[in-house]
Amino acid sequence: AQTVTQSQPEMSVQEAETVTLSCTYDTSESDYYLFWYKQPPSRQMILVIRQEAYKQQNATENRFSVNFQKAAKSFSLKISDSQLGDAAMYFCAYRSPNFGNEKLTFGTGTRLTIIP
Amino acid sequence: EAGVTQSPTHLIKTRGQQVTLRCSPISGHTSVYWYQQALGLGLQFLLWYDEGEERNRGNFPPRFSGRQFPNYSSELNVNALELEDSALYLCASSFGQGAGSNQPQHFGDGTRLSIL
Repeated sequence: AQTVTQSQPEMSVQEAETVTLSCTYDTSESDYYLFWYKQPPSRQMILVIRQEAYKQQNATENRFSVNFQKAAKSFSLKISDSQLGDAAMYFCAYRSPNFGNEKLTFGTGTRLTIIP
Repeated sequence: EAGVTQSPTHLIKTRGQQVTLRCSPISGHTSVYWYQQALGLGLQFLLWYDEGEERNRGNFPPRFSGRQFPNYSSELNVNALELEDSALYLCASSFGQGAGSNQPQHFGDGTRLSIL
């Protein structure tokens, strides 16, 4: 079974600075999908960014980018130019490519605080 | 375009009662997933429905059940409620299996279930 670990329960960053959230995972599969979701106090889970394991290029979405290290099974999220609206719980998630196993396996989350 | 909608937003029940939660997926999505987000336990996969069939279920007792209707909306039923069922129940939808397993899941705002 796959597991996802987020070792930072809480992080804080000054507004406009850069912060990196860590995520590691364990799997025996060679192909898979990784996601970062954001959950603000409004509680809706919002997709931030996704990465296909077969792609060597790191995914980027505006101020959000990932550092995907397949051999190390590491998938960190970098937020540049942090904004107050980035304050939320951030969850890393794994998804198998196999039919019948489309569920997401989540880490325990990192609470990000933005300091004005 | 409307996102995933869930109802009700909040429910209060007592031990032993039964509850039904509802979810309408994004138009065009045929897969619906249910997750439980209990305090301190992170997000746990509950059930996955695609094209009206239950495709997979997580490690939850049989008193957690559900169904998917021809219009792809879904219900989650929980019988014989216990105190530990208090949680945020999140529904997510995505395109079905035929669209490829890299399709992201989009979440609703959740139903907060409190058991007294």
